[in-house]
Amino acid sequence: EDKVVQSPLSLVVHEGDTVTLNCSYEVTNFRSLLWYKQEKKAPTFLFMLTSSGIEKKSGRLSSILDKKELFSILNITATQTGDSAVYLCAVPDRGSTLGRLYFGRGTQLTVWP
Amino acid sequence: GAGVSQTPSNKVTEKGKYVELRCDPISGHTALYWYRQSLGQGPEFLIYFQGTGAADDSGLPNDRFFAVRPEGSVSTLKIQRTERGDSAVYLCASSPGGGAMAGELFFGEGSRLTVL
Repeated sequence: EDKVVQSPLSLVVHEGDTVTLNCSYEVTNFRSLLWYKQEKKAPTFLFMLTSSGIEKKSGRLSSILDKKELFSILNITATQTGDSAVYLCAVPDRGSTLGRLYFGRGTQLTVWP
Repeated sequence: GAGVSQTPSNKVTEKGKYVELRCDPISGHTALYWYRQSLGQGPEFLIYFQGTGAADDSGLPNDRFFAVRPEGSVSTLKIQRTERGDSAVYLCASSPGGGAMAGELFFGEGSRLTVL
């Protein structure tokens, strides 16, 4: 009964490659979806998505949401070794902006030089 | 401090012992969260405070787990009669508690608990 499912669980690429990470979700009263990057211990916030079809972009990272099909993708272009991390997707419980977040298991991205 | 501070960073204890994990959130953040992360898993929600009160403690796995935030700032997660299955990284996060970036959590580096 996972509410957030991420794929792939693990991905190994070479520097310069482009990657697409997937996140599908199932939650009542959807309000937002969040992406986090976890390099060692502390996840750090990347994006919050609330509207379908509107791409959020930060440097080489971009993300988009499809509320009809209940999924989001995170794209990383021209990958660098510093992009190696676990990428986590999360949705708030019952549409609340506060409170519990349901996280997926994450995608472990490894970028080789 | 500038970020969320958690102590200790590592804790090794024996089965049956009592442990306390401390979290000092970002100054002014009213919302504070505890999550637990096991190897290869995403963070799992434990409890959420809004101010001094626990707004949602439904993620606490059993009555051996308890958390407090008496003055609305620092929080302590308390685990009684520890079991080997409690071994995990315990993450604390805080957020401003509302506004445009509601949902963005600021995480600490975590406390790695190992129960032998």
